Amino acid sequence: GAVVSQHPSRVICKSGTSVKIECRSLDFQATTMFWYRQFPKQSLMLMATSNEGSKATYEQGVEKDKFLINHASLTLSTLTVTSAHPEDSSFYICSVGPQETQYFGPGTRLLVL
Amino acid sequence: EDKVVQSPLSLVVHEGDTVTLNCSYEVTNFRSLLWYKQEKKAPTFLFMLTSSGIEKKSGRLSSILDKKELSSILNITATQTGDSAIYLCAVGIKAAGNKLTFGGGTRVLVKP
Repeated sequence: GAVVSQHPSRVICKSGTSVKIECRSLDFQATTMFWYRQFPKQSLMLMATSNEGSKATYEQGVEKDKFLINHASLTLSTLTVTSAHPEDSSFYICSVGPQETQYFGPGTRLLVL
Repeated sequence: EDKVVQSPLSLVVHEGDTVTLNCSYEVTNFRSLLWYKQEKKAPTFLFMLTSSGIEKKSGRLSSILDKKELSSILNITATQTGDSAIYLCAVGIKAAGNKLTFGGGTRVLVKP
């Protein structure tokens, strides 16, 4: 399967700051990547589909101005949480897949104080 | 609205027991059903099922899809403490790219 990395693995920030999370596909050129959020003891919630060279597609209820996605190359997508608030604290995971089998990055745990 | 429901929500078993997890779905244009195991970090892929009635097996884990009943089961035999995890079911839909819709997961705890 595809090998996916995320950076950072953990970040703590102050309320009002912006945080950038990187997702890299190490052995597969991905025209599409997916960003998920997972709250404690809950399942994965798809936030958006990151499309290489074009705008991301956001799921209903996800603010596109709050969660900025940039997919500038076939191996890198970034998610920026702008003006983070404590309620944005969560586990953010990206996924990549050659077809419908998605392979996940190790995730980024964000804590906003 | 597409829906994926897993049951039970959680269960506790002892080593050596057999576990059966359920996943049911209501989606338009079903393409595939996938099972993942999540321990502390990101989910790891277990199985992808597209055809009804064909069992997929990997060691002590096996899974089968029933398209008539719109459901799938994941079996774990001779459970070990290392099987303790959240098991996630996800459904892929035609014409939705590679997007997956996840169920709520089943939390399995295997006690020694």
